[in-house]
Amino acid sequence: NAGVTQTPKFQVLKTGQSMTLQCAQDMNHEYMSWYRQDPGMGLRLIHYSVGAGITDQGEVPNGYNVSRSTTEDFPLRLLSAAPSQTSVYFCASSYRTSGRVNEQYFGPGTRLTVT
Amino acid sequence: KNQVEQSPQSLIILEGKNCTLQCNYTVSPFSNLRWYKQDTGRGPVSLTIMTFSENTKSNGRYTATLDADTKQSSLHITASQLSDSASYICVALTGANNLFFGTGTRLTVIP
Repeated sequence: NAGVTQTPKFQVLKTGQSMTLQCAQDMNHEYMSWYRQDPGMGLRLIHYSVGAGITDQGEVPNGYNVSRSTTEDFPLRLLSAAPSQTSVYFCASSYRTSGRVNEQYFGPGTRLTVT
Repeated sequence: KNQVEQSPQSLIILEGKNCTLQCNYTVSPFSNLRWYKQDTGRGPVSLTIMTFSENTKSNGRYTATLDADTKQSSLHITASQLSDSASYICVALTGANNLFFGTGTRLTVIP
């Protein structure tokens, strides 16, 4: 049971480049989400999904796209990277009980630098 | 405004000593309060989850308390170990499934 996996662990991009951050979980969790973590700030929600085929925006969705074609995978796409997207990105997953988000399991993170 | 505030921002303690981290939250409607431990370079790991009806919950040497009336929570660490050095993040969940994260307390345990 690998839990939540993320790739790559580190990435450097030039302004304007695009890329996809991968996230996968093997716990059959319905709920998956992407966060970014910046110094001096709490984790901020980018996008989330309550199940395959369903995604929604979080607090800071601009510049990012997501899709959820399977229960296991939830990739995050940066369309045209900007220096403001330099951050550490975490993917998380959890069950939902009676619609409530349960304990979240976080991946190890992807450290992204945009120059 | 929904928010979570933690104090202190950072804390240094000697190995073997106890410490208490504080969390004040103003989220509505409140559903539950979570504490996470985040080691450097890793993702957060859940320590406790408490609903408004729970006053205290323990996980080994970690004990979390919740006062839903004053909207305060604390995380008490007993007999600290070097491996307790980490950031501790307080998170409040609303009834609408919105999660609000604090900025964390950075704990350093020194020998």
